[in-house]
Amino acid sequence: QQQVKQSPQSLIVQKGGISIINCAYENTAFDYFPWYQQFPGKGPALLIAIRPDVSEKKEGRFTISFNKSAKQFSLHIMDSQPGDSATYFCAASKETSGSRLTFGEGTQLTVNP
Amino acid sequence: DADVTQTPRNRITKTGKRIMLECSQTKGHDRMYWYRQDPGLGLQLIYYSFDVKDINKGEISDGYSVSRQAQAKFSLSLESAIPNQTALYFCATSVTSGDTDTQYFGPGTRLTVL
Repeated sequence: QQQVKQSPQSLIVQKGGISIINCAYENTAFDYFPWYQQFPGKGPALLIAIRPDVSEKKEGRFTISFNKSAKQFSLHIMDSQPGDSATYFCAASKETSGSRLTFGEGTQLTVNP
Repeated sequence: DADVTQTPRNRITKTGKRIMLECSQTKGHDRMYWYRQDPGLGLQLIYYSFDVKDINKGEISDGYSVSRQAQAKFSLSLESAIPNQTALYFCATSVTSGDTDTQYFGPGTRLTVL
């Protein structure tokens, strides 16, 4: 049972475009929603994270939008660059489980020059 | 120098063999994790440990065991490897700072079971 569902599985964007990756969760006890970025041959690394008390968080070109009523959150990458080409994972965790994360399936992003 | 290291980086073994994957960290974090990554499935939690005396099963612990030898060391064992355990395995540590909880992943071990 996949508690965090991510789409699309793959995404191709032109340089300068906006990349959008979506995630939906089932468990209303989740209260922490990070995004991880993984380059080939490397482990994932934290990109940006949000808690449900805010609807949006922006760090540079990366923005998380959060919709608590719809149980959805998304990652927006503005002015996408070829260096952003990577696999992106959304995740969720519950306060009571510390930092035990449930990950989405991943999205392979390719930004063409 | 890498803060979270994994050995070996690649391993090919045969069905039925016992395999140990090792993880060491210099970050001083109490919390450590083992995940496996399969294409299209994301990362699935195998075991996690919040301190040396605390070991917990994750989503997919069957066929695996772990040992937390010290704060810095967390090993994953496959007692009798089978082909569907072929995957990329990651060790991670985590720490909370303010309202951000960050997991730090090692470089991964690619395991092939023939």
